[in-house]
Amino acid sequence: GEDVEQSLFLSVREGDSSVINCTYTDSSSTYLYWYKQEPGAGLQLLTYIFSNMDMKQDQRLTVLLNKKDKHLSLRIADTQTGDSAIYFCATLNTGNQFYFGTGTSLTVIP
Amino acid sequence: NAGVTQTPKFRVLKTGQSMTLLCAQDMNHEYMYWYRQDPGMGLRLIHYSVGEGTTAKGEVPDGYNVSRLKKQNFLLGLESAAPSQTSVYFCASSYPEEQYFGPGTRLTVT
Repeated sequence: GEDVEQSLFLSVREGDSSVINCTYTDSSSTYLYWYKQEPGAGLQLLTYIFSNMDMKQDQRLTVLLNKKDKHLSLRIADTQTGDSAIYFCATLNTGNQFYFGTGTSLTVIP
Repeated sequence: NAGVTQTPKFRVLKTGQSMTLLCAQDMNHEYMYWYRQDPGMGLRLIHYSVGEGTTAKGEVPDGYNVSRLKKQNFLLGLESAAPSQTSVYFCASSYPEEQYFGPGTRLTVT
């Protein structure tokens, strides 16, 4: 199956930009996702990108996809304390199965 | 729209007991999934369904059974609970590339 990898922790100062990175192995992944999970809650879909795109912007969020290197990133501009959470990268394969990374815990320092 | 709901929210079982987790969605989604989330391991797919009356095994199906008798419901059963099944269980539904999650069920097996 697919391997999706992320670094475990990221710490940034309030107002700075955050960049969370993800790598995956399945080149046939059709969609790639970013989810946010706050303590005690389910996963919230933040944004996603189709595999034939290389960038998507949605307000403070920018997703970059390098399909050649199988690298996905999420940039959060002007990071706020409310952005502190765990962020999961995920991929969708042609069999409609989702694969998730282990999550990156983002801490925003006031 | 309630989205994806799960019952119960919390449960404690003794080893060998059985239980059923219920997932319901009101978005008319064809696809439904059951995941477990363990610390440091991200989300792992247990079973999934691509439509009413269908089920399929995911990455970690052993010890679990599922049924999808109605399109809106997806049940996860544990016939004989083991301490290794202590986890947070998430249900999700998708149509087909946007996946939405329920709030989770925290299960402890003693």
